[in-house]
Amino acid sequence: DQQVKQNSPSLSVQEGRISILNCDYTNSMFDYFLWYKKYPAEGPTFLISISSIKDKNEDGRFTVFLNKSAKHLSLHIVPSQPGDSAVYFCAAITGAGSYQLTFGKGTKLSVIP
Amino acid sequence: DAGVTQSPTHLIKTRGQQVTLRCSPKSGHDTVSWYQQALGQGPQFIFQYYEEEERQRGNFPDRFSGHQFPNYSSELNVNALLLGDSALYLCASSLYGTDYRRELFFGEGSRLTVL
Repeated sequence: DQQVKQNSPSLSVQEGRISILNCDYTNSMFDYFLWYKKYPAEGPTFLISISSIKDKNEDGRFTVFLNKSAKHLSLHIVPSQPGDSAVYFCAAITGAGSYQLTFGKGTKLSVIP
Repeated sequence: DAGVTQSPTHLIKTRGQQVTLRCSPKSGHDTVSWYQQALGQGPQFIFQYYEEEERQRGNFPDRFSGHQFPNYSSELNVNALLLGDSALYLCASSLYGTDYRRELFFGEGSRLTVL
């Protein structure tokens, strides 16, 4: 039973265009969401996060949108750069103080120069 | 400033054997979490250690155990290895009491292959 789903295993985007990565969740107890980026042979690195009390959070080229009613979040990267090519994981946490992140399977983003 | 370091990087074991993986947290961090990432899957939470005690645990059998030392480093032990234990094991560290959710640093992982 996957509580966090990333239904697109891969995504290809032209350099300079927008990349949109999607994530759906089923557990309504999740109250904090994160996106991690992972390059080959490296551990995941934190990218951006959003609390369930917000619907948008922006950090430079990265914006995360949260639609609680649809249990859906998305990560927008504008403009996309070749260095953004990596696997992106969506993760969720239940409750303050929990260290248990629930991850999706990831989406491999390829930004084509 | 050293990040999270894990050892060994790769190892091969046979079914039924036992394995110990090691993790040194990022300098200044005192909390360690372990995750298992099977091929094609996202990381799955195994457990978290703070003050040398297991504080939280995911849905993993008792074959998975851990330890945290006074210097905050940690070990993950897996007994009676199964083929399905083949995975990348990730260690993550943070500083207790901070906004750890945004300050969770992962190591490169230990790739375990069980034959």
